[in-house]
Amino acid sequence: DVKVTQSSRYLVKRTGEKVFLECVQDMDHENMFWYRQDPGLGLRLIYFSYDVKMKEKGDIPEGYSVSREKKERFSLILESASTNQTSMYLCASTSGQALFKPQHFGDGTRLSIL
Amino acid sequence: AQTVTQSQPEMSVQEAETVTLSCTYDTSESDYYLFWYKQPPSRQMILVIRQEAYKQQNATENRFSVNFQKAAKSFSLKISDSQLGDAAMYFCAYRSAGSNNDMRFGAGTRLTVKP
Repeated sequence: DVKVTQSSRYLVKRTGEKVFLECVQDMDHENMFWYRQDPGLGLRLIYFSYDVKMKEKGDIPEGYSVSREKKERFSLILESASTNQTSMYLCASTSGQALFKPQHFGDGTRLSIL
Repeated sequence: AQTVTQSQPEMSVQEAETVTLSCTYDTSESDYYLFWYKQPPSRQMILVIRQEAYKQQNATENRFSVNFQKAAKSFSLKISDSQLGDAAMYFCAYRSAGSNNDMRFGAGTRLTVKP
């Protein structure tokens, strides 16, 4: 089974801090994604990556950046955390050539910015 | 851009009964994929069922089935013989066949199962 591991289940940070959320997958998937999940809004795509060192903006990239130095790891960075970035963050991965295959998700990180 | 609408923020069903969750989407594409994901209280999102748009036959996975109406752009999920373990958030999702990156999710429906 595919395993997508997010480094933290819960995280509390302060406004202005630089925050790193880490995600690792063990299935050699080409594609990795970062979403944020908010009540009533579903999942919104922040960034995705289809290869090492490649990244593309999703629907809501403002205030975020990403890093993919190794195929298995995809990091989400909040450059200067703000209270409106308090949310649930989900990482997902999928094979690059499998449009019909589902995305595999991590457990999520509930991030609170104080 | 494609949008996915789940018009029912919350639904409830009696154990052993049947419930249908609705999903509509907006697209100008003819080839795409549709998914239903389940997110239990433990929060890991898992796939429930999926449908390829070019297939007319509705997908079925045990107690889960879909009613795919391509012309109406509707993709509802039917859960038969509901069980307590079916309680979760359910998300409908759309993926374009032209891209392996762009998956659109609805806002979700919270399903409660009453014993």
